[in-house]
Amino acid sequence: EVQLVESGGGLVQPGGSLRLSCAASGFTFSSYWMGWVRQAPGKGLEWVANMNQDGSEKYYVDSVKGRFTISRDNAKNSLYLQMNSLRAEDTAVYYCARANYVFDIWGQGTLVTVSS
Amino acid sequence: DIVMTQSPDSLAVSLGERATINCKSSQSVLSRSNDKNYLAWYQQKPGQPPNLLIYWASTRESGVPDRFSGGGSGTDFTLTISSLQAEDVAVYYCQQYYNTPVTFGQGTKLEIK
Repeated sequence: EVQLVESGGGLVQPGGSLRLSCAASGFTFSSYWMGWVRQAPGKGLEWVANMNQDGSEKYYVDSVKGRFTISRDNAKNSLYLQMNSLRAEDTAVYYCARANYVFDIWGQGTLVTVSS
Repeated sequence: DIVMTQSPDSLAVSLGERATINCKSSQSVLSRSNDKNYLAWYQQKPGQPPNLLIYWASTRESGVPDRFSGGGSGTDFTLTISSLQAEDVAVYYCQQYYNTPVTFGQGTKLEIK
């Protein structure tokens, strides 16, 4: 079964850091672009970051550039999102997704709440 | 950035009737090199992640019922549900993947009348 499972979300204070993980199974992880998409409570979808198969290409939405870092470990079939200098507006459910041009496989999401 | 605008924001349709959602991009998402529209549609039910329905504007993802169809080209696109079923209640999003940043429409909430 093709599956993505996120972990690492939680409550963090403004200015703090959090690292999200995404474990992939059921497909050849190393063959695909992967990405993160977030959804603030009651709001729409916002793409956050993508990276290619070997990590040589990474792209970010402007609002997270310099604060978030996407990375992957193909040996562990895992995708990561390091989030630093978190702000209240980063509060959202963060989805890991396979980026096969479109986002064709999604995880269930992990909630990140930035609040004092 | 390409801005995606959906209409309407919400829609109520009777069971068995047709539902149509519109999506307009601020610039063309049609590639002249391969004649493909870089436009996708997703369905999101409450408490669930989005689910890919349509890509390349009109290609149904595997397993998606054939009552769902996508159309349009360039800057104007539609998602049509030919005969609304109760399980189709959801929020629907269009997305362009023509360039980075990929961007989504604001969503259209579909309900039963």
